[in-house]
This record gives sequence, structure tokens and C-alpha cells, in this order.
Amino acid sequence: ETGVTQTPRHLVMGMTNKKSLKCEQHLGHNAMYWYKQSAKKPLELMFVYSLEERVENNSVPSRFSPECPNSSHLFLHLHTLQPEDSALYLCASSPTGLNTEAFFGQGTRLTVV
Amino acid sequence: DQQVKQNSPSLSVQEGRISILNCDYTNSMFDYFLWYKKYPAEGPTFLISISSIKDKNEDGRFTVFLNKSAKHLSLHIVPSQPGDSAVYFCAASARRSGGATNKLIFGTGTLLAVQP
Repeated sequence: ETGVTQTPRHLVMGMTNKKSLKCEQHLGHNAMYWYKQSAKKPLELMFVYSLEERVENNSVPSRFSPECPNSSHLFLHLHTLQPEDSALYLCASSPTGLNTEAFFGQGTRLTVV
Repeated sequence: DQQVKQNSPSLSVQEGRISILNCDYTNSMFDYFLWYKKYPAEGPTFLISISSIKDKNEDGRFTVFLNKSAKHLSLHIVPSQPGDSAVYFCAASARRSGGATNKLIFGTGTLLAVQP
């Protein structure tokens, strides 16, 4: 039990579908993140949400749309994805403040067909 | 341009010996460094960290060394155990750049295999 739960664990979607990834954290953290892990590439920070700031990586295509209704929940809405978007999507949370580590969920393995 | 680099994609070590995983970074603004461990089908789990004001941090079998002048850090695992077999990610953040959140920049990972 990591304290950060992601659903679904696996998702196969067509390029015309719309789906959402869900993340929930039970650690009392007030910052949440979406990361993408593609094969043989570093984990890539996609979005950051906290009470103080929202940071979007400008290199992330608009077909990925984050939503953070409160400090415990984070969504990633997906629409008209491409096969190259197939990857492991990881949610993380952390306290805000100096020198804190992020805690990750188990990830959603996304395959776009 | 990759700011955090792990140049060894894999490492094989005998059980009981020392494992040394290396990481280089280019951004001099980085002031906090972390190691994460990842098993297949799981998310990364935090292992150990070090602030830029230190050059060594030890936690049980795990020790992280930081050489700021060389922009290099390493993770030592001794003695290595078969259960340590996993992918190890180095990560860094730059708190001095402002913001309250931890925007971690990761390396590509090193797959460690500890042979019984």
C-alpha cells in the first residue's frame, strides 16, 4: 500500500476514444503530479498541482487534460490520443516544503491502438 | 537536453558484493537529489535522498555520495541482496528556483541484477 492509488491499472483505448485516469492519495499531501514513462526514456513530468501553483509542461499536447478537484484527487483526461502516447502514466504526491520526496502510485499502463 | 543522466543502463553484481550506481547532472541549480527503486508493474518507491549541503547520507545498506564539483552522485548498496534487483532512478530538483512543489527531474534508470 503506497498511499497513492491509481485506476485503472491497465487501459487499452482507440485513437477516437475519450478516457480518464484517476489518482487518489491518502497521505495528506497537498501537491500532486502526473509523470509519463516511455520505454528507455526518463520519467517526464507532465503536470503539477498544489494549493500554491499549477504548472503545466508546455511540451505536453492538449490531448492530455488534467483536472484536480481537490488536494486528494487528480485526473488525467485523454482524448484523440496517438499510438506514441502508449506509456506508463504515474501519479505522485508530496508535501510542499523543502526537501520532500514524492510518493508514487503503481501507474496506469496505457496502450493506444 | 537531458539534465540528469544515468549512463549505465544495467549492472550485474554478485550477492554480498557492493553495487555502485552512478548519476550525473548538468543543472547547477539542483539542490536536492533522490534515488528511487522500481520493480516491474509497480510505481517507483523512494529509497534515499541527499541535500546539496551534504556530501554523504547513509541509511542502513544504502549510502548516497554527492560530489558537487563534478556534478555526480552515486548510490552504494552493501551488501547487495537478490531482493535489491530492480531499476534504480536518480532524480534531482531545484528548490531555489522557486515554487512550493517538488518538480523532480529523473534519469533513465539503471537495471540492477544481483546474482545469488
